[in-house]
Amino acid sequence: AQTVTQSQPEMSVQEAETVTLSCTYDTSESDYYLFWYKQPPSRQMILVIRQEAYKQQNATENRFSVNFQKAAKSFSLKISDSQLGDAAMYFCAYRFKAAGNKLTFGGGTRVLVKP
Amino acid sequence: NAGVMQNPRHLVRRRGQEARLRCSPMKGHSHVYWYRQLPEEGLKFMVYLQKENIIDESGMPKERFSAEFPKEGPSILRIQQVVRGDSAAYFCASSAGTGSGYTFGSGTRLTVV
Repeated sequence: AQTVTQSQPEMSVQEAETVTLSCTYDTSESDYYLFWYKQPPSRQMILVIRQEAYKQQNATENRFSVNFQKAAKSFSLKISDSQLGDAAMYFCAYRFKAAGNKLTFGGGTRVLVKP
Repeated sequence: NAGVMQNPRHLVRRRGQEARLRCSPMKGHSHVYWYRQLPEEGLKFMVYLQKENIIDESGMPKERFSAEFPKEGPSILRIQQVVRGDSAAYFCASSAGTGSGYTFGSGTRLTVV
């Protein structure tokens, strides 16, 4: 069974600074997707970024970028120029392509942004 | 185009009552997924449905929980004889197909008193 581990329960960052969230996963598959979701206090799950395992290039979306290390099964998220609106829970998730659309989530990291 | 609509947003039930959670997928989406989020935890997959069919229910508890997605109307997650441990946020998501991205609803927070 696939597992996703987020080892940092909480991270704090100064506004305008950079923070990196770690995520590791365990799978024997080679073709899969990885995701980062943001969950603000409103509870809405918002897709931040998505990475396909067969693509070596790291995905980037504005201030959000990932460091995907397939051999190490590591998928970290970097938030640059942090803003107050980035404060939220962040969840890493995995999806095996041949297993339908089922997502396996990590336990989450809470990001606090200090003004 | 409205997103995934879940109702109610909050639901309070006494122990032993039934809870019915509703999910209307995005227009054009025929695949629905239910997840449960316990306090301070990530989301856990429960069940995957297409119209009138359960495709994967590997995450559903064996007793008291059931789900359906009828030809007409919303998907329903039903919890019979609720217990305090059922208190959680229940999220629905929908997609147009198995290779398509998800859209999540805002969840239903169930509190069992």
